[in-house]
Amino acid sequence: GQQLNQSPQSMFIQEGEDVSMNCTSSSIFNTWLWYKQDPGEGPVLLIALYKAGELTSNGRLTAQFGITRKDSFLNISASIPSDVGIYFCAGPIIQGAQKLVFGQGTRLTINP
Amino acid sequence: KAGVTQTPRYLIKTRGQQVTLSCSPISGHRSVSWYQQTPGQGLQFLFEYFSETQRNKGNFPGRFSGRQFSNSRSEMNVSTLELGDSALYLCASSPRGGRAGVGETQYFGPGTRLLVL
Repeated sequence: GQQLNQSPQSMFIQEGEDVSMNCTSSSIFNTWLWYKQDPGEGPVLLIALYKAGELTSNGRLTAQFGITRKDSFLNISASIPSDVGIYFCAGPIIQGAQKLVFGQGTRLTINP
Repeated sequence: KAGVTQTPRYLIKTRGQQVTLSCSPISGHRSVSWYQQTPGQGLQFLFEYFSETQRNKGNFPGRFSGRQFSNSRSEMNVSTLELGDSALYLCASSPRGGRAGVGETQYFGPGTRLLVL
């Protein structure tokens, strides 16, 4: 089945540093989603991407839809303590539906 | 507007038992999806319900089932529990279950943590 490979699995950074993570797939996706999950909570949608090459920002977060449609990237600039959590990429298994496949997640830890 | 609520939040069961988890979607949302989250397998799609009908299904055995009521509330049931069923079960709702993303954002609940002993 479709799988999303997300890297890195974990990151330990200093407050104020920029963060980059990516997600790749062997299959083409027409939508890429980035979620964040805080401890004890469900995932929250951060950014949605719909077109190859698209670059979208949400505050300090910027995500890109890869040209090949098989990858996506998420960058966080000037990290702050509340950025701590697990970040997931996701895409719909079925075009136009809610059935999502998720990456393994990137656990972000920030040292103040 | 209240978010997605799931009950119970924590549950302990023994092997062979069955369990029913409940999800109340955001008011007005008609699509409800269920996911299983484990450290080993990550987040995996179980099924989606829309207008009381199962519309999509993941690759889980028949022991996992669900249903949706006319008020869009949903339940999932796991029969003959196995140790490997220990997981966080997440419910997500969206307005119509259309193309995933903004406008049809899936709002997740806090999950039910199930421990099977």
